[in-house]
Amino acid sequence: DGGITQSPKYLFRKEGQNVTLSCEQNLNHDAMYWYRQDPGQGLRLIYYSQIVNDFQKGDIAEGYSVSREKKESFPLTVTSAQKNPTAFYLCASQTDTSYSNQPQHFGDGTRLSIL
Amino acid sequence: GDSVTQMEGPVTLSEEAFLTINCTYTATGYPSLFWYVQYPGEGLQLLLKATKADDKGSNKGFEATYRKETTSFHLEKGSVQVSDSAVYFCAVKDRGSTLGRLYFGRGTQLTVWP
Repeated sequence: DGGITQSPKYLFRKEGQNVTLSCEQNLNHDAMYWYRQDPGQGLRLIYYSQIVNDFQKGDIAEGYSVSREKKESFPLTVTSAQKNPTAFYLCASQTDTSYSNQPQHFGDGTRLSIL
Repeated sequence: GDSVTQMEGPVTLSEEAFLTINCTYTATGYPSLFWYVQYPGEGLQLLLKATKADDKGSNKGFEATYRKETTSFHLEKGSVQVSDSAVYFCAVKDRGSTLGRLYFGRGTQLTVWP
C-alpha cells in the first residue's frame, strides 16, 4: 500500500544534540511538508519542498534543517539551536502544488522529547 | 493571509447526539476546504473536502458545506458514535497559491460517551 512512513515513532534528545526524523513516501508525490504540533496550537509549518533539491522555510523554521535529495525522502533535523523541541512532528506529502483541490497525506508522526 | 478559526473544544457528547463543529476561514483567493481527523497517537486523515462554493463534502456520516457567503465550512454528523472520539481540524488551501500549503485551525477535541 502507498503511504508515508515516519520513523522513529518516539525519539529522545539530549542537551546539545542534533536528531534527525525520517520521512519516506511511496506515493510519487512531488511536494512534501513538515509540521510541528503542540497541544492546543494546531499544526505549524516548519519546512516544505515542492521538488527535489529545493525547499523553503515555513513559519517556524528556526532551529530546524531539511534536505530533499530524493523525491521519496524529506528528513528533518532538529538542531541544538531549537530550545524547545518537545512536540509531535508530522510529515505530509501532496501530488503537485499546482492543484489546490488535492489533499495532503500524512504520516503517523514522531514524538520528540528532551531527556 | 489565509487563516482558519475553529470552534474551541473540548466537545463532549453522548452517543447518538448531533454534532456541529464550526469553522470559518479567511482567504485571498478561492480556496479549497478540508476537514481532517486525528485519532490518539496517529497522524491526520482526510475526512472530507469541498473545492467550490455550495459543494458538500461527506464521508462516514460526516458532512460539511462550502458556504462562500459566510466563509464557513461547518462539520456536522447526525448521530455520533464512541469511535468518533478524536481531534478534528479544519483546513484551507488558497487556489491562488502555487505553494500548496494548508492553513489549519487549532483543532477541536471530541469525546463521545456511551
